[in-house]
Amino acid sequence: NAGVTQTPKFRILKIGQSMTLQCTQDMNHNYMYWYRQDPGMGLKLIYYSVGAGITDKGEVPNGYNVSRSTTEDFPLRLELAAPSQTSVYFCASSDRVNTEAFFGQGTRLTVV
Amino acid sequence: AQTVTQSQPEMSVQEAETVTLSCTYDTSENNYYLFWYKQPPSRQMILVIRQEAYKQQNATENRFSVNFQKAAKSFSLKISDSQLGDTAMYFCAFMKPYNNNDMRFGAGTRLTVKP
Repeated sequence: NAGVTQTPKFRILKIGQSMTLQCTQDMNHNYMYWYRQDPGMGLKLIYYSVGAGITDKGEVPNGYNVSRSTTEDFPLRLELAAPSQTSVYFCASSDRVNTEAFFGQGTRLTVV
Repeated sequence: AQTVTQSQPEMSVQEAETVTLSCTYDTSENNYYLFWYKQPPSRQMILVIRQEAYKQQNATENRFSVNFQKAAKSFSLKISDSQLGDTAMYFCAFMKPYNNNDMRFGAGTRLTVKP
């Protein structure tokens, strides 16, 4: 059972470039989330989804977009990368009843 | 909005001793969940322990236990018989369930277990 899988694990982007962080889960969870973790800080919610076709903004959504076309996949899109988006990004999932969130391994993104 | 505060950026403990990590939170909700997550250098987020606010009994998981004080909005984590493998960042988190289940995290406490 793979759980939550994120790709890539590391990426360096130039200012203004775009990229998509991939996230997939095989636990049939309805809820999926994207968090960012800045150095020495806790995780902040970027976007979340409560099911296929439904997404909503979290605490820090500016500069990001998401989509949820299937239950399994929840990609995060950066359109115009900025140095402020240098961070570690975590995808997570949970179901409605069992509140434990399962996290991916994280993606370390550097924008230069 | 709910906020979670961890007032100890760093702590250390000798192997085999006991350490307590502090967490306070602010909410107007009556029904919620609280969590402690461990993040070792591998970056993986690992659930340590969970507490439902409607339960008065403090949660325990082997060497890990919590002191949940609902009126004081306090949720501390006690690690007994500390092991070298307990060295990690520890995050306290708050969740209001049955809505979107999103969690709000504290800034974390870096725990070092010394041999």
